[in-house]
Amino acid sequence: DVKVTQSSRYLVKRTGEKVFLECVQDMDHENMFWYRQDPGLGLRLIYFSYDVKMKEKGDIPEGYSVSREKKERFSLILESASTNQTSMYLCASRSRETQYFGPGTRLLVL
Amino acid sequence: DAKTTQPPSMDCAEGRAANLPCNHSTISGNEYVYWYRQIHSQGPQYIIHGLKNNETNEMASLIITEDRKSSTLILPHATLRDTAVYYCIAITGNQFYFGTGTSLTVIP
Repeated sequence: DVKVTQSSRYLVKRTGEKVFLECVQDMDHENMFWYRQDPGLGLRLIYFSYDVKMKEKGDIPEGYSVSREKKERFSLILESASTNQTSMYLCASRSRETQYFGPGTRLLVL
Repeated sequence: DAKTTQPPSMDCAEGRAANLPCNHSTISGNEYVYWYRQIHSQGPQYIIHGLKNNETNEMASLIITEDRKSSTLILPHATLRDTAVYYCIAITGNQFYFGTGTSLTVIP
């Protein structure tokens, strides 16, 4: 079974803090993705990566950056967290046929 | 990627088949139909996908109409654990966009 894990299920941070969300997949997939999910807005793509050290902006990259130093790990960074970044963050990894999602990190920024 | 339309909510009695419809009338020839579900506060779970032919796996069956403008996901014997939001998407590329889906409630 494909496994995508995320470092935290729940996270509480203060405005202005730097936040790291980690995602690891164990299937040697090249493509990895970060989304955020908000009520009524569905899933929105923040960034994706198709190889180590490669990254592409998604639909809503502002306020975020990413890092892909190893194939299995894709990190999402909030440089200076703001309250409008309170959300559910989902990492995904793509095989040839489909995407597999992690369990999600619910981030609350106070 | 083609827009999909799903009913916002459905109920199904436990043990009965749940039939979830999806409309994708603008689907192009190389777009696959994917189904995912999301149980509250968890990540989306892949269920099944198909292009033209009907598909079946251990979780569900996918029936795609001959003109490919609509499809139905069938959970043959719904259980309480199948209560979730079900998403239908039509896609060729890398980016999966989930709309609001169908909230399925399985009733004891």
